[in-house]
Amino acid sequence: KAGVTQTPRYLIKTRGQQVTLSCSPISGHRSVSWYQQTPGQGLQFLFEYFSETQRNKGNFPGRFSGRQFSNSRSEMNVSTLELGDSALYLCASSLETGANYGYTFGSGTRLTVV
Amino acid sequence: AQSVTQPDIHITVSEGASLELRCNYSYGATPYLFWYVQSPGQGLQLLLKYFSGDTLVQGIKGFEAEFKRSQSSFNLRKPSVHWSDAAEYFCAVGAQTGYSTLTFGKGTMLLVSP
Repeated sequence: KAGVTQTPRYLIKTRGQQVTLSCSPISGHRSVSWYQQTPGQGLQFLFEYFSETQRNKGNFPGRFSGRQFSNSRSEMNVSTLELGDSALYLCASSLETGANYGYTFGSGTRLTVV
Repeated sequence: AQSVTQPDIHITVSEGASLELRCNYSYGATPYLFWYVQSPGQGLQLLLKYFSGDTLVQGIKGFEAEFKRSQSSFNLRKPSVHWSDAAEYFCAVGAQTGYSTLTFGKGTMLLVSP
């Protein structure tokens, strides 16, 4: 069974640009969550999508957005990039929404903003 | 709101020695509790989880954790550490009701000395 796939693995962008990250969940999983990981703030929740609907959102500015497609694949977008957006972005998939279903994480996308 | 504290940022253990990583959580009811491990440049791998029942849970790679409600703790233990256990360990809490995300601690970096 394939795991959670995140593409690309690495990205370098310039301040002010926008970026789109992709996440393919485990087959059959309908929930996708996104987390930002930085050395200073640790792992912070961005948002969760379930059945193409955003179910939960963390405390991030509107520059961070996402969506989920009918096949459960998800994308997140960051517009007007800032240096502080440099981070490892992790996607996690779950069978259903709710912590009791557990989360399987991808290897992440390392975004560097210069 | 739920929160997790991992008091130790770094821990160094000799190979073959026992290990205990501390985790304290704050949540109004019984939470779901998780331990994840992250190797450099990788995503998070689930070690074990507690949902209910037996307060001592066994996980992969010889790890176990004990849920102590009176102390709001969920400490991770391993009787004999191997050099390959060197990684960062994260404790996480999730709510048992409603839509739930995982709230992570800041992590404990485990170093294994020969």
